[in-house]
Amino acid sequence: GEDVEQSLFLSVREGDSSVINCTYTDSSSTYLYWYKQEPGAGLQLLTYIFSNMDMKQDQRLTVLLNKKDKHLSLRIADTQTGDSAIYFCAEKGGTGFQKLVFGTGTRLLVSP
Amino acid sequence: SQTIHQWPATLVQPVGSPLSLECTVEGTSNPNLYWYRQAAGRGLQLLFYSVGIGQISSEVPQNLSASRPQDRQFILSSKKLLLSDSGFYLCAWSGTGGNNSPLHFGNGTRLTVT
Repeated sequence: GEDVEQSLFLSVREGDSSVINCTYTDSSSTYLYWYKQEPGAGLQLLTYIFSNMDMKQDQRLTVLLNKKDKHLSLRIADTQTGDSAIYFCAEKGGTGFQKLVFGTGTRLLVSP
Repeated sequence: SQTIHQWPATLVQPVGSPLSLECTVEGTSNPNLYWYRQAAGRGLQLLFYSVGIGQISSEVPQNLSASRPQDRQFILSSKKLLLSDSGFYLCAWSGTGGNNSPLHFGNGTRLTVT
């Protein structure tokens, strides 16, 4: 079955860039997503990328996709303390009704 | 715009008691609906999903059940709670048109079974 892997923790200083990585196994993935979860809250959709794209930029967020290696990354420029949260990547495979498969989440801690 | 409401926000229940969590969606028709559980603040486990009224698919065998009595209402239930049912429960919806159908989540219910 599909599997999505992420590193568990990332710690950065305020103002630095953060890069959160994700690998997946489903070669038929069509869309890949990044979600943010703040403490005690639900998941907030941050951005997504279609599988035929290599990069997508949205303000401070840059998503890079290496489809050959099945590797997805989220870069946050000028990281702020408010960016501290758990970040989940998710992939949607194939066509028709497909459930999203989520990674285990990466906890980002931004220190002042 | 579409909104999703989930309640209650927190719940403390004794072992063996029943459970009913409710989720409603506004601003869209015939959404796909989902219940996820998140244990210890990490990892999302899909419990149930529904593509229409009365249509429920279960992902894992467990002590819980789900129902969809109306198009935009999704209910998670249990007749007798176990300690292992404690966790953070998230309801979500997605559209049915096209291939790009991200999930949109509610704010979650923190369930503690004592």
